[in-house]
Amino acid sequence: KNQVEQSPQSLIILEGKNCTLQCNYTVSPFSNLRWYKQDTGRGPVSLTIMTFSENTKSNGRYTATLDADTKQSSLHITASQLSDSASYICVVTVGGATNKLIFGTGTLLAVQP
Amino acid sequence: GAGVSQSPSNKVTEKGKDVELRCDPISGHTALYWYRQRLGQGLEFLIYFQGNSAPDKSGLPSDRFSAERTGESVSTLTIQRTQQEDSAVYLCASSLRLPAFNQPQHFGDGTRLSIL
Repeated sequence: KNQVEQSPQSLIILEGKNCTLQCNYTVSPFSNLRWYKQDTGRGPVSLTIMTFSENTKSNGRYTATLDADTKQSSLHITASQLSDSASYICVVTVGGATNKLIFGTGTLLAVQP
Repeated sequence: GAGVSQSPSNKVTEKGKDVELRCDPISGHTALYWYRQRLGQGLEFLIYFQGNSAPDKSGLPSDRFSAERTGESVSTLTIQRTQQEDSAVYLCASSLRLPAFNQPQHFGDGTRLSIL
């Protein structure tokens, strides 16, 4: 069964600290992996998209990694800001003709002053 | 605006009524998606359109749900005879091409549907 699991479920950190969010998937065939940020009451916003051959991709203070062998990804946030408080969602696109996206349930991050 | 627009932003209706949700995608985006997000849960795929065609309707929860897209633009999601379990945020997203082409999806802010 195609699944995306994220950990931790929630996380509280102090402003200025770094953190790393984890994503494990069992999606096959694999097309690409995405990280989204979803602020409360808003739609998700794309942070990164990585294909099979990409190991790392950055978007400002956000750096995503992908290990296609172990089917794991991480999202590292550097020098966190209060505005980083949001839900971070890992999404894997199923390869082939389905074009289906499998969503994780997200990690809820709270950055405190 | 240049983003995905959804209307209404909030909808409260009585059980048994029909509702129609609207999505205006970004101009030129051929792919359009509908998702449902229940409180505190992840996004649940409902249906996607490639142009005006919906190749995969398997995510629609029941035959009370239907969707259409016209002019490769506006899409409407219709829920007939609404039930309380239909209460959720319904999100629409569009992308230039299908997900397999590594295109980012651009989301609207959703319609918050509450069934009394």
